[in-house]
Amino acid sequence: DQQVKQNSPSLSVQEGRISILNCDYTNSMFDYFLWYKKYPAEGPTFLISISSIKDKNEDGRFTVFLNKSAKHLSLHIVPSQPGDSAVYFCAASAYSGGSNYKLTFGKGTLLTVNP
Amino acid sequence: EAGVTQFPSHSVIEKGQTVTLRCDPISGHDNLYWYRRVMGKEIKFLLHFVKESKQDESGMPNNRFLAERTGGTYSTLKVQPAELEDSGVYFCASSPRQEFGYTFGSGTRLTVV
Repeated sequence: DQQVKQNSPSLSVQEGRISILNCDYTNSMFDYFLWYKKYPAEGPTFLISISSIKDKNEDGRFTVFLNKSAKHLSLHIVPSQPGDSAVYFCAASAYSGGSNYKLTFGKGTLLTVNP
Repeated sequence: EAGVTQFPSHSVIEKGQTVTLRCDPISGHDNLYWYRRVMGKEIKFLLHFVKESKQDESGMPNNRFLAERTGGTYSTLKVQPAELEDSGVYFCASSPRQEFGYTFGSGTRLTVV
């Protein structure tokens, strides 16, 4: 029973264009969402997060959008750069302002940015 | 600042043997997490330490897995006896306080044959 789904195993975009990575979740108790980036032979690196009280969070080239009614979030990278090529994981937590920092991850999407 | 360090980076053992994975968190980080990624699947939570105490061990798959963090510094994850389905990459992560965006190590790739 996968609670966080990344339905696109891979995505290929041209350098300079926008990359859009999608994530769906089924657990309505999730209230905090994160994106992690992972290079081969390395651990995941935190990229950006969003609380369920917001619908958008921006950090430089990275923007995360949250649509709670659709249980959907997306990560936009603009402009995409070859160094962005990595596996991107969507993660969620039923935080509820308490002490639960356990993350539920999706399977990841491999992003390839072509020069 | 040194990152989260995991030993060994790779381990190949036979079914039925015992393996111990080690994680050295970033110095001063009270919170330590273990996650596992089985081939082709999502990264799954195993457990969370706050100092030497287990805050949440709801993700531990069965009693063949034993995690310890004596003294609240490094942590070990022992698998005894190992089964084929235990193969995967085991990640450790740490944070100075209870927060998201914790720092992951590079992982230990465990192969049980």
